[in-house]
Amino acid sequence: EVQLVESGGGLVQPGRSLRLSCTASGFTFGDYAMSWVRQAPGKGLEWVGFIRSKAYGGTTEYAASVKGRFTISRDDSKSIAYLQMNSLKTEDTAVYYCTRDSPGYYGSGSYPYWGQGTLVTVSS
Amino acid sequence: QSVLTQPPSVSAAPGQKVTISCSGSSSNIGNNYVSWYQQLPGTAPKLLIYENNKRPSGIPDRFSGSKSGTSATLGITGLQTGDEADYYCGTWDSSLSGGVFGGGTKLTVL
Repeated sequence: EVQLVESGGGLVQPGRSLRLSCTASGFTFGDYAMSWVRQAPGKGLEWVGFIRSKAYGGTTEYAASVKGRFTISRDDSKSIAYLQMNSLKTEDTAVYYCTRDSPGYYGSGSYPYWGQGTLVTVSS
Repeated sequence: QSVLTQPPSVSAAPGQKVTISCSGSSSNIGNNYVSWYQQLPGTAPKLLIYENNKRPSGIPDRFSGSKSGTSATLGITGLQTGDEADYYCGTWDSSLSGGVFGGGTKLTVL
């Protein structure tokens, strides 16, 4: 059974940093790209970014709203994907989900597996 | 402002059929597969449709998907009160090199 478990959320002040983790199980983690999707309170889904598998260089893509501030990385030996969030803004307040993406170079936009999400609140 | 456009809300009576539209462009829906998600309050989204019209195991055939050009449609027949939820379309955008979602549609079963 595929499971994704996010952790690391919490309350953080504007301008500070936070790192989220997504621990995966039930599939060969290294074979898949992993995406992060967020949802602000009462709002819709927003794709944040993704990291390709090592077969495609482990390269990353980001939404314009987070590019330059957020960094996604992965540790295939531990089956963990990370979302490093720097220079946080109040508008980054959201539930952050990790999802399993495609095994290929391009993202799929199709996410059959989601974690439970972790809430990040950016407030002074 | 979402890249994909959905109606904010739709409604229908129990047992009836409803469709939800999702409009995009050639860089997203026009050249990539579309997925649909159901999100019940307080829960993570659930994949209903992938590759335009395929249903994951366990999704009833009351849910269907279609795509034409730069638009896609989710259909739900035999509406039940348990279908009340937010529904999102999503796909990959080749120009943005990123995933994109619609703004979501709230379904009310009257």
